[in-house]
Parts: sequence; C-alpha cells; structure tokens
Amino acid sequence: EAQVTQNPRYLITVTGKKLTVTCSQNMNHEYMSWYRQDPGLGLRQIYYSMNVEVTDKGDVPEGYKVSRKEKRNFPLILESPSPNQTSLYFCASSFLTGVEKLFFGSGTQLSVL
Amino acid sequence: AQTVTQSQPEMSVQEAETVTLSCTYDTSESDYYLFWYKQPPSRQMILVIRQEAYKQQNATENRFSVNFQKAAKSFSLKISDSQLGDAAMYFCAYRSAGTASKLTFGTGTRLQVTL
Repeated sequence: EAQVTQNPRYLITVTGKKLTVTCSQNMNHEYMSWYRQDPGLGLRQIYYSMNVEVTDKGDVPEGYKVSRKEKRNFPLILESPSPNQTSLYFCASSFLTGVEKLFFGSGTQLSVL
Repeated sequence: AQTVTQSQPEMSVQEAETVTLSCTYDTSESDYYLFWYKQPPSRQMILVIRQEAYKQQNATENRFSVNFQKAAKSFSLKISDSQLGDAAMYFCAYRSAGTASKLTFGTGTRLQVTL
C-alpha cells in the first residue's frame, strides 16, 4: 500500500531534550516536506527536499533540522525543543511535478513541557 | 509570496443541504494548482479535489465541486447533499506549477454538519 509512515503519533517531552520524528515513504517520491499545524494558522512548511542530499528551508525553519540521506526517509530533528514547538507535525511527499497531490503521514502531536 | 485566505473559520450545514466554503488567493503567477484538503478528527489529510489553473472547466468529484474564478483569484468548494461524514476541517491550498514547490495553505474552515 502506498503510504507515508510517520512516527511517533504522540510525543511528550521536556524542554531541551533532543528528539527525532521519523518519516518514510514507499512511493519513490522525489519531493518530501515537513509542515506544522497550529490553530488559526493552518499548515506552515518547515523544510523540504527535492531529492537525496538536497534540502531547503520553508517558512518556519528555526529550531528544526532535517536530513535526506536516502530517498525514502526524511527525519525531522529538534535538537533543543522549546514549548513554542508544541504543535501537530505532518510529513508529506509527492513526485516533482506540481500537479501531483501530496501524500501526508498521519501526523505527530508533539508537546514540549 | 503566495497567500491563501479562508475567511470563514466555522460553517454549519444541515444534513442533505448544500454548503459553500470560500477561498481566495494572491499570486502573480499564471500557472498553478489549487487544492481542497479535508481533515477529519482522525487528523488524516485527505485530498478532496484539485484544479489546474489553465483549465477553465471547474473540477468536480461526486458531491464536491469548485467554482474557480481565475481573474478574481477565488476558489470556493461546494458540497452538495451534505453528510455527517463531511464534518471536518477543510483547507484550501495553492501550489506553483512546474517543479514541485510547497503547498501554501489557508487557515482552514471547520465544517459542522447537523441533523
């Protein structure tokens, strides 16, 4: 089944404790992206990648890191989480042409205390 | 930069009735794609319908249709014969044509369906 697998679904952590949210897709998509969703703000892009070893900042990259060592994986790293990073996070992927729909993971609800 | 505006934070519709969710966007590009995504309480993001800007014909998917007005930069979603399962958050989104770029989302409209 074609899917984007995102883990974990829920995560509670404390300020400053490094964490990684994993994202993997099985559709051979070149394009992968991370979004955060906050009430009243919709979804905002954090980072994206057009291919292996190619990553770039989105609208709200501060406090986040990503890597794309393999085509299928695109982990999101929070080196020193802060409470303002409490949010719902989505990974998404697609082929490179703009008309292609994004496939979304099931989301990760992160709470930073 | 492109922006997407959804001016209705919440809407309500009775079962079997029709409801229209509004969306406007701002862009200087001539070629782009527009999408409506549905997010039920499960949080899953589900593509409802998409429209290619170069196509004049409005997209339709079963009970869902759009009214795409390119000159007015408007992209509203009409849901006919509303069902309880249509209750969700609906996001309008914009994506530039050509090589993949980000999806720019609106702030969402929460749709309630009543009996």
